[in-house]
Amino acid sequence: AQSVSQHNHHVILSEAASLELGCNYSYGGTVNLFWYVQYPGQHLQLLLKYFSGDPLVKGIKGFEAEFIKSKFSFNLRKPSVQWSDTAEYFCAVNGEGKLIFGQGTTLQVKP
Amino acid sequence: NAGVMQNPRHLVRRRGQEARLRCSPMKGHSHVYWYRQLPEEGLKFMVYLQKENIIDESGMPKERFSAEFPKEGPSILRIQQVVRGDSAAYFCASSPRGAPPDTQYFGPGTRLTVL
Repeated sequence: AQSVSQHNHHVILSEAASLELGCNYSYGGTVNLFWYVQYPGQHLQLLLKYFSGDPLVKGIKGFEAEFIKSKFSFNLRKPSVQWSDTAEYFCAVNGEGKLIFGQGTTLQVKP
Repeated sequence: NAGVMQNPRHLVRRRGQEARLRCSPMKGHSHVYWYRQLPEEGLKFMVYLQKENIIDESGMPKERFSAEFPKEGPSILRIQQVVRGDSAAYFCASSPRGAPPDTQYFGPGTRLTVL
């Protein structure tokens, strides 16, 4: 069955700390992978996506993610977080049209 | 270019009433998806529609829930005889092609509260 797993449910960091959020997926077909962010009170916004090509994908606001096929992973990284990065982060895989989401990771950045 | 529009943003219903949630896709997008986010959970796929056609409804509860995307007008998610467990945020997304690779853009959601 198709699934996405995010290992960290709640992460607390201080400003300027580095961030890595784990995402593993289980899907047999060609994968299209996404990270979405949901700021408090707002809707989901696309952070970055991987369709093909360079497995290191750069997104908005300094985020990047690396697709490692052998590990079925698509971890999200940011070298130095800001207070404004406080939000919920969702990893997703496109499975035959529909998006399959992970459980989400709540990131709290302390000023 | 307007994004995905959803209305109402907040909807309160009493048990047994009907809830109608509307979604207007982005301009040029003909594919619409509905997702539900229950408290403390991630988003779960409900249904995928094209104009006048349901492509995938594998995530829809078997009873009380229905969706449509008519030739003219917004997509409608309809919940009949609502129960407290239907309280959730319902998000609509749209995409231009529908077939991977494709990117879905989300609306602001409708937060349904069932009293």
